[in-house]
Amino acid sequence: DQQVKQNSPSLSVQEGRISILNCDYTNSMFDYFLWYKKYPAEGPTFLISISSIKDKNEDGRFTVFLNKSAKHLSLHIVPSQPGDSAVYFCAATAAPGSARQLTFGSGTQLTVLP
Amino acid sequence: DAGVIQSPRHEVTEMGQEVTLRCKPISGHDYLFWYRQTMMRGLELLIYFNNNVPIDDSGMPEDRFSAKMPNASFSTLKIQPSEPRDSAVYFCASRRQGSGNTIYFGEGSWLTVV
Repeated sequence: DQQVKQNSPSLSVQEGRISILNCDYTNSMFDYFLWYKKYPAEGPTFLISISSIKDKNEDGRFTVFLNKSAKHLSLHIVPSQPGDSAVYFCAATAAPGSARQLTFGSGTQLTVLP
Repeated sequence: DAGVIQSPRHEVTEMGQEVTLRCKPISGHDYLFWYRQTMMRGLELLIYFNNNVPIDDSGMPEDRFSAKMPNASFSTLKIQPSEPRDSAVYFCASRRQGSGNTIYFGEGSWLTVV
């Protein structure tokens, strides 16, 4: 049973518009969440994270929102650019900074159309 | 700084053959992770090491899979005998204790078992 779920395998957005990628989790012990981006033929790279003590974290065009009561987080990209086209993985862990491993979702392929 | 280095980048092998994937973590990192990416399950953690010691191998799918870390700068993931369902991208990742939960991935080893 997947503890981190990304229910949309793909998303297409027009350049300049907002991209919203969603992630749901089932483990109430999760309290630290990360987004990774992966280009073809490359390894995933860290994008942005959020701790459960916050409900929003922003870094440039990227903002992650956390709704703990709904066990839901989302990644907003504004404005979207063609270079943002990649697979985005949501990840979660139960103990920030500890040895606990990250649990990843299955990924969402974002395509930004020029 | 050199990132996580994996080899081979691509491997095509026949069913029943032994496959060995190699990883050199980032220097100074004391955690090493092996992940497998498939379309159906996304990124799955197979095993991770701390200071060269295997900590959690519960993600290793079968006894056909084994991993070793003989020293701080080298790890192997071995599949013997390989089967077509093992075809996937295998990622190695590392991180340094105390640096939070961000892990750094290699570029992956693309395995095809025919």
